[in-house]
Amino acid sequence: AQKITQTQPGMFVQEKEAVTLDCTYDTSDQSYGLFWYKQPSSGEMIFLIYQGSYDEQNATEGRYSLNFQKARKSANLVISASQLGDSAMYFCAMREGGSNYGQNFVFGPGTRLSVLP
Amino acid sequence: NAGVTQTPKFQVLKTGQSMTLQCAQDMNHEYMSWYRQDPGMGLRLIHYSVGAGITDQGEVPNGYNVSRSTTEDFPLRLLSAAPSQTSVYFCASREGPGRIFYGYTFGSGTRLTVV
Repeated sequence: AQKITQTQPGMFVQEKEAVTLDCTYDTSDQSYGLFWYKQPSSGEMIFLIYQGSYDEQNATEGRYSLNFQKARKSANLVISASQLGDSAMYFCAMREGGSNYGQNFVFGPGTRLSVLP
Repeated sequence: NAGVTQTPKFQVLKTGQSMTLQCAQDMNHEYMSWYRQDPGMGLRLIHYSVGAGITDQGEVPNGYNVSRSTTEDFPLRLLSAAPSQTSVYFCASREGPGRIFYGYTFGSGTRLTVV
């Protein structure tokens, strides 16, 4: 069973508008972490934002915020005021608290975001 | 600059050839991992290490070997390359264990093509 689901293979957004990238996850652990990474066309993986399973408030980092709905097991990334430089592939990832694979990340398939001028 | 260094950035191999992808980090991280990235599949874990001398298999280990003789280095070996191993490979490291909120620092990736 897929542990991280990103249902939007590709999305378009107009420059300066907000956009939400969806992510749902599946885990039976109580302690886990959720991450979003950005991968521009140059290929590197850039950490954007983190949400811990016990964090009561949604994480925010500048124009990025994470809409964490624990009961629904969703961790959507919201980018406010999109910029052309936001065009990239975005990956949702989860680290579980158990010993499976040494607490490594499980990644979703990614969403390719294109920002239109 | 502190970080994860991967070499080479690009490589073309013929089927059956062997090679080693190098990975080094200078952050004294205990955990290191190798992932491969394929279109539509995200990143999948190949092998990982929780410290020098300790390695284990991830989700897709077949065709790959690893070793961890030092904290800094974690090379990935392809013993007999196959076209199915054409992919982008990422090495990553983080502090550990147990700090659930710590994410990985990724290398810049190696684009491997097997013909």
